[in-house]
Amino acid sequence: GQQLNQSPQSMFIQEGEDVSMNCTSSSIFNTWLWYKQDPGEGPVLLIALYKAGELTSNGRLTAQFGITRKDSFLNISASIPSDVGIYFCAGRYLDAGNNRKLIWGLGTSLAVNP
Amino acid sequence: GAGVSQSPSNKVTEKGKDVELRCDPISGHTALYWYRQSLGQGLEFLIYFQGNSAPDKSGLPSDRFSAERTGGSVSTLTIQRTQQEDSAVYLCASSEGQGGQPQHFGDGTRLSIL
Repeated sequence: GQQLNQSPQSMFIQEGEDVSMNCTSSSIFNTWLWYKQDPGEGPVLLIALYKAGELTSNGRLTAQFGITRKDSFLNISASIPSDVGIYFCAGRYLDAGNNRKLIWGLGTSLAVNP
Repeated sequence: GAGVSQSPSNKVTEKGKDVELRCDPISGHTALYWYRQSLGQGLEFLIYFQGNSAPDKSGLPSDRFSAERTGGSVSTLTIQRTQQEDSAVYLCASSEGQGGQPQHFGDGTRLSIL
């Protein structure tokens, strides 16, 4: 079945550093999504990507939909303490019944040292 | 409020009891999703409601799990004869329109089965 490999599993960085994380799969997706989850809260949608090769920014965040449609990355520039949290990728595809399905990576836990 | 509201925020119950979890989506959102998140894991899809269409129940892990959405608004997730492996955070999300992705999550119900 569909699987997403999200890496790294965790990161510990200094404030001001840039961060990069990615999701890969052997399967093709037609949408990539990136969410951030703070402790005790639900995930918040950061960026949605709908087209292979698409590069989208949201403030200091930039995400790309890989040209092969099998991967996506998220970059955070000039990290700040409030970037701390768990970042999830999610990929959407059509199943055998032509139903839209969404699967999730296991998350990248980001810690920022001020 | 303006966001997705879930209740209770925490629920502790004994193994074998039934539980009901409630979700109030954002007003006017036609799509409603239930997910389960175990500690340190990604999100596991449970069920998806879209308007008046038959719900996509393909993620429900067993027949002990059921969900309703009354009047296209409030949803209730019911777990019968709870087991310890049901312990998790249950997240609800809603979004506008059809064919989209979960946009707005509630803060979840943390369920603990003793």
